[in-house]
Amino acid sequence: EVLLVQSEAEVKKSGESLKISCQVSGYSFVSSWIGWVRQMPGKGLEWMGVIYPGDSDTRYSPSFQGHVTISADTSIKTAYLHWSSLKASDTAMYYCGSPIAYTSSSSLDGFDMWGQGTMVTVFS
Amino acid sequence: SDELTQPPSVSVSPGQTARITCSGDALPRHYTFWYQQKPGQAPVLVIYKDSGRPSGIPDRFSASSSGTTVTLTISDVQAEDEADYYCQSADRSGTFVVFGSGTKVTVL
Repeated sequence: EVLLVQSEAEVKKSGESLKISCQVSGYSFVSSWIGWVRQMPGKGLEWMGVIYPGDSDTRYSPSFQGHVTISADTSIKTAYLHWSSLKASDTAMYYCGSPIAYTSSSSLDGFDMWGQGTMVTVFS
Repeated sequence: SDELTQPPSVSVSPGQTARITCSGDALPRHYTFWYQQKPGQAPVLVIYKDSGRPSGIPDRFSASSSGTTVTLTISDVQAEDEADYYCQSADRSGTFVVFGSGTKVTVL
């Protein structure tokens, strides 16, 4: 069974750092793109970026480039999303996802497997 | 522009057909994907690579395209189809992913 399990909800203060995780099982972590999507309260989906764990090739949306860092640890099949300095506007649900069940080779491909989401709340 | 435009809402009676459009200048250049999202849940992929249907997705869901507009069609709409729907494609240069603004489908 393919599973993407995300870390628990976080409540942080503005200016603090944070790293949330997405641990996968049931498929080849190194051979599939895995990425992150933001959803602010009551709003739509926003693509943040993806990483190919096999060679660490990482792509970002211009909207998030420089504000977050996406990384992966192949030894524990886990992808990460990191902020060095949170802002109140980072308050959102964050989902990880990966294209698994269909033939996928592009960083632009849609996700057919998703984590359960990690809610990040940042207060001033 | 790299934006993908969707109607904010679509209302449909059970058993009827819902059509959700997604418009964008770059759509002819890249694959389109469609997601269904119900409140409090992660998105679910319902269409991949323009017209593919993932395992477990009813054949009531289909997609088509014409020029710079793609359309998700839900035939024989059921109450369980009430959700937000998002299209996904890429920017003109094929560098990053863009999501549509989302369409709320209400089953009357």
